[in-house]
Amino acid sequence: SQQGEEDPQALSIQEGENATMNCSYKTSINNLQWYRQNSGRGLVHLILIRSNEREKHSGRLRVTLDTSKKSSSLLITASRAADTASYFCATDLGDYKLSFGAGTTVTVRA
Amino acid sequence: SQTIHQWPATLVQPVGSPLSLECTVEGTSNPNLYWYRQAAGRGLQLLFYSVGIGQISSEVPQNLSASRPQDRQFILSSKKLLLSDSGFYLCARQGITEAFFGQGTRLTVV
Repeated sequence: SQQGEEDPQALSIQEGENATMNCSYKTSINNLQWYRQNSGRGLVHLILIRSNEREKHSGRLRVTLDTSKKSSSLLITASRAADTASYFCATDLGDYKLSFGAGTTVTVRA
Repeated sequence: SQTIHQWPATLVQPVGSPLSLECTVEGTSNPNLYWYRQAAGRGLQLLFYSVGIGQISSEVPQNLSASRPQDRQFILSSKKLLLSDSGFYLCARQGITEAFFGQGTRLTVV
């Protein structure tokens, strides 16, 4: 079963704007990861945040984690047309497996 | 480099026909390997995972089976395909901090 759920399901923004998507999960985790998928392709890892971390940055990406609310957010700043993709959160429960959400589809308009 | 090869990229098969999708991994030994299925516009559903040669764990009851005949080879099979087997199949390898994905196989059962 899928533990993570992303919100919103779809997001359309203008180039240069920020994009924010959220992920909620159900059980305790070792870490939470965000992945990106271009249409019809495999997933690419973006960033990992551990359960004892609250915020992490990587380039134009900012991830937060609130373990008390069992939620995470991914912020993409100054979006570009090339950021158009689907974004998935994945929770690592420490049992060799990642549980993926249904994803947020982001469209960046030029 | 940690490369995952999947083939074929696309496949159209009639109902009742057999299936064999192959995944091979380069650049590492004794990897944890995974097969996921992604329905259109949905998240990833874990089908099988393997922590070693001949070791297969099934996550959901289904019409599919998996085998790991060699350390870096993971095969997804079916004796008789159903329409509901259509989807995007992804092979993945678990790294220390992230999962690496192949480019996927788009299977359409007609």
